Amino acid sequence: DIQLTQSPSFLSASVGDRVTITCRASQGISSYLAWYQQKPGKAPKLLIYAASTLQSGVPSRFSGSGSGTEFTLTISSLQPEDFATYYCQQVNSYPRTFGQGTKVEIK
Amino acid sequence: EVQLVESGGGLVKPGESLRLSCAASGFTFSSYKMNWVRQAPEKGLEWVSSISSSSSYIDYVDSVKGRFTISRGNAKNSLYLQMNSLRAEDTAVYYCARDVREGRFPIDYWGQGTLVTVSS
Repeated sequence: DIQLTQSPSFLSASVGDRVTITCRASQGISSYLAWYQQKPGKAPKLLIYAASTLQSGVPSRFSGSGSGTEFTLTISSLQPEDFATYYCQQVNSYPRTFGQGTKVEIK
Repeated sequence: EVQLVESGGGLVKPGESLRLSCAASGFTFSSYKMNWVRQAPEKGLEWVSSISSSSSYIDYVDSVKGRFTISRGNAKNSLYLQMNSLRAEDTAVYYCARDVREGRFPIDYWGQGTLVTVSS
């Protein structure tokens, strides 16, 4: 099974900050990686797929990059509504594993 | 508007069974791969199972293989998860979820989730 490791697990930041979250895969997954945002009590929301393709309706301050085993999610200017938990997921092979999550909180 | 509505969750004892259902609307259900994803209380997301549009491909996470069965009824626009021999560690919110499209694509729509609690 492919393991995904996100770093950091917890991040404290201020509105307007540039934030970067990393997801590392235990083996190469090409560009078959997605990023989701989840707020408490809600279902996750797809932000990015194919490592760098922005899902329709997602603000352009979100961007993704990477291929192979290392990927990043960047929020260029953190907004109040962006405080949430972020997960990466690989869809290269089954089981379709998720990272453990990165919680972004207000500093 | 795409809608996925889960039902069937509840409180059961270890070893008992439960069947989850998901009613889909707002899209051509028979054209999409579907999934179940769960989230234990205060924990992260865990992919549980996927079924292709025609039911020709099915897979499960190892921890539920032999106990859970995914199925779909395309004529009824419905997805199911039969859960047998339930364990305390199966306690979670279970989400019904649709892939963007067939192939190696992620989930773009999720239901609101249904809570399954396994406890004596």
